[in-house]
Amino acid sequence: DQQVKQNSPSLSVQEGRISILNCDYTNSMFDYFLWYKKYPAEGPTFLISISSIKDKNEDGRFTVFLNKSAKHLSLHIVPSQPGDSAVYFCAASALSQAGTALIFGKGTTLSVSS
Amino acid sequence: DVKVTQSSRYLVKRTGEKVFLECVQDMDHENMFWYRQDPGLGLRLIYFSYDVKMKEKGDIPEGYSVSREKKERFSLILESASTNQTSMYLCASSGGDSPLHFGNGTRLTVT
Repeated sequence: DQQVKQNSPSLSVQEGRISILNCDYTNSMFDYFLWYKKYPAEGPTFLISISSIKDKNEDGRFTVFLNKSAKHLSLHIVPSQPGDSAVYFCAASALSQAGTALIFGKGTTLSVSS
Repeated sequence: DVKVTQSSRYLVKRTGEKVFLECVQDMDHENMFWYRQDPGLGLRLIYFSYDVKMKEKGDIPEGYSVSREKKERFSLILESASTNQTSMYLCASSGGDSPLHFGNGTRLTVT
């Protein structure tokens, strides 16, 4: 059973508009959430994270929102740029539980057109 | 900057061969991981290690083993390669408060 779900395999957005990528999780023990970005033929790179004690974290054009009651998080990119075109992975872990690792979703491919 | 180096970018092996994928990190991280990435399936955890000589199974360990004899090196072993192990293999490391850092991946093709 998937513990981290990204239900949209792809998203297309115009340059300058907002991109919203969504992620749902099922494990209530998850307390740390991250977004990674991956270009073809490269490894994923860390983008932004949020712990369960917060509901929002911002870093430049990137903002992550966490809704614990809905077990939902989203990544907002404003304004979107063509260089943002990549696969975005949502990941979660239970830091409070020793011996656990990051669990990733299946990814959402973002295409930003100019 | 953290560097995670995977020894090969591309590898082609035959069915039944024993395959070694090597990974080295230069940040003295305690934790190291092996994932595989397949289209439509995302990143799936194969094995991870929290210390030298320690290993833990991930979600899909069948057909794989690992070795961590030194802190900086984590090897993934395919005991007898099969075509369904054709994939992109990603090594990662983390330590302290740092998030997971990935290598650039090894694209393995088993024919």
